[in-house]
Amino acid sequence: KQEVTQIPAALSVPEGENLVLNCSFTDSAIYNLQWFRQDPGKGLTSLLLIQSSQREQTSGRLNASLDKSSGRSTLYIAASQPGDSATYLCAAFQGAQKLVFGQGTRLTINP
Amino acid sequence: DAGVIQSPRHEVTEMGQEVTLRCKPISGHNSLFWYRQTMMRGLELLIYFNNNVPIDDSGMPEDRFSAKMPNASFSTLKIQPSEPRDSAVYFCASSFEYLSTGELFFGEGSRLTVL
Repeated sequence: KQEVTQIPAALSVPEGENLVLNCSFTDSAIYNLQWFRQDPGKGLTSLLLIQSSQREQTSGRLNASLDKSSGRSTLYIAASQPGDSATYLCAAFQGAQKLVFGQGTRLTINP
Repeated sequence: DAGVIQSPRHEVTEMGQEVTLRCKPISGHNSLFWYRQTMMRGLELLIYFNNNVPIDDSGMPEDRFSAKMPNASFSTLKIQPSEPRDSAVYFCASSFEYLSTGELFFGEGSRLTVL
């Protein structure tokens, strides 16, 4: 059974710092891995989707990497801004089955 | 383009009452999902439809929960009778070619409080 873990559960950093959020999964037989952002009281917004054949995806200040062999993905946020404050969730997709979510990392960027 | 639309956004009800949550997926999407989110358990998949047909309902907690998708543009999640432990945020999500991409688009959620 696939399990997805995100550490730390919460992270607080000053504005302008570069930071890395971590996601690990137990079953490396995944089709892709997706990173979402969730603002308080809102739904999930898809940020990046990395196919299993890819090693990374970039969108603006965000870069997500995937290492299937080690069961890890990271989300790198460059030059963090207060507007980046949110909960970030990763989810592993194994095809024809459930998208398994981690518990999320609650990120706070302090001005 | 309109995203996934859910209603109501907030629902407060008393134990034993029937609750119906509604979802309109993104036009053209052929897969629809109902998730439940709580602090303790995170996001849990309740049920998944493909082309209006329920594919996986193993996450539905018990017989008090039922879901329908009468057509490609509408789905309901019903809880009858509701209990305080059903209090959570219920999300609907839709996808196009989910089996290929696994990419989901979420609604804003329905926050349910059962007193």
